[in-house]
Amino acid sequence: EDQVTQSPEALRLQEGESSSLNCSYTVSGLRGLFWYRQDPGKGPEFLFTLYSAGEEKEKERLKATLTKKESFLHITAPKPEDSATYLCAVQAASGGSYIPTFGRGTSLIVHP
Amino acid sequence: NAGVTQTPKFQVLKTGQSMTLQCAQDMNHNSMYWYRQDPGMGLRLIYYSASEGTTDKGEVPNGYNVSRLNKREFSLRLESAAPSQTSVYFCASTTGDRQAFFGQGTRLTVV
Repeated sequence: EDQVTQSPEALRLQEGESSSLNCSYTVSGLRGLFWYRQDPGKGPEFLFTLYSAGEEKEKERLKATLTKKESFLHITAPKPEDSATYLCAVQAASGGSYIPTFGRGTSLIVHP
Repeated sequence: NAGVTQTPKFQVLKTGQSMTLQCAQDMNHNSMYWYRQDPGMGLRLIYYSASEGTTDKGEVPNGYNVSRLNKREFSLRLESAAPSQTSVYFCASTTGDRQAFFGQGTRLTVV
């Protein structure tokens, strides 16, 4: 059974205080690890896809990395507008279907 | 492009009532999914459709049925709503191993 565990559940940072969110996973036949951002009252929005260990992706203050067992979302010098819930998902191939399995998310609050 | 459109956005039902949540995507995606999101539980898969004409159960299918009407549309039906089905429901679509696109959600309350 595919499993995704995110930590911490909640994180409070001061503006400019860098930190990292963790996503550990167990999956048979990984076909992609995804990071999404979800704002209150809205659907998740795609941030990054990582396909193989060692891969890194960057976008503004966010950088995602991947190993064989976990992924990190590094937030450098965060701003209040980075406050959101960050979701990690793994996608495995099952009988020809691709099924995303999500972690429970990390709720990030950045204080000015 | 509209992306993934869900209707309605909000709904209040009485216990035992039925309703259908509608979802449509305009990105020509093969796969579509229905998730529910509850506080502290993350997104849990209810049903999915890998392609037009096929549907399969996810993690929490009890009390729900789905129909993949055509490639664009995937509906979720609650035959006899229960308070435990109070949740926020998200429809998503994707193709292959690419990222999923989500609708804005339906906030359902069953009283």
